Amino acid sequence: DAKTTQPNSMESNEEEPVHLPCNHSTISGTDYIHWYRQLPSQGPEYVIHGLTSNVNNRMASLAIAEDRKSSTLILHRATLRDAAVYYCILSSNSNSGYALNFGKGTSLLVTP
Amino acid sequence: ETGVTQTPRHLVMGMTNKKSLKCEQHLGHNAMYWYKQSAKKPLELMFVYSLEERVENNSVPSRFSPECPNSSHLFLHLHTLQPEDSALYLCASSQAHRGDYGYTFGSGTRLTVV
Repeated sequence: DAKTTQPNSMESNEEEPVHLPCNHSTISGTDYIHWYRQLPSQGPEYVIHGLTSNVNNRMASLAIAEDRKSSTLILHRATLRDAAVYYCILSSNSNSGYALNFGKGTSLLVTP
Repeated sequence: ETGVTQTPRHLVMGMTNKKSLKCEQHLGHNAMYWYKQSAKKPLELMFVYSLEERVENNSVPSRFSPECPNSSHLFLHLHTLQPEDSALYLCASSQAHRGDYGYTFGSGTRLTVV
């Protein structure tokens, strides 16, 4: 499975933008880049995904490097409710379809 | 509610008990997954069902037995578990063979084996 590398933790002030980096240097041409987040005591929640182009939705933006070896999840204005573990995952086609294999993620702390 | 419902939310069982975890989705998805999340560890993919057929079993001990009677329901049957099996068990659903489709997770069952 193609793997991703994320910082263990990051800290942000409330109402400021947050840029969460992810390296995936062994990504293949058919791998999708997915981001999920997990709040305490809850299941993971889908945030955004992309293949080659940058993507925007109501939750966040995803900036994908031209060579696709890295990506950045952008939260435009962090709130206290955004404090969570953020996972960057490559969705790779395999015999079991596009199963997601989670890493350790980045724990985001948001301070008032 | 996310659209994926897991029951029970909490379960305490003895090592000789038999219990089942249930997962239900009515999102029209045709792939379902079981994950295990132990304390301080990443989510571990246990089983994958695609179009009601089990397509992946990640070296999970036989004391965990999945069942997928239809595309909307998924069970995890538990028997003779060990204390180290205590964890949060998460169910997810998606569209099979679609890398551009997100997963929807349930809230999980918090299992404690005593």
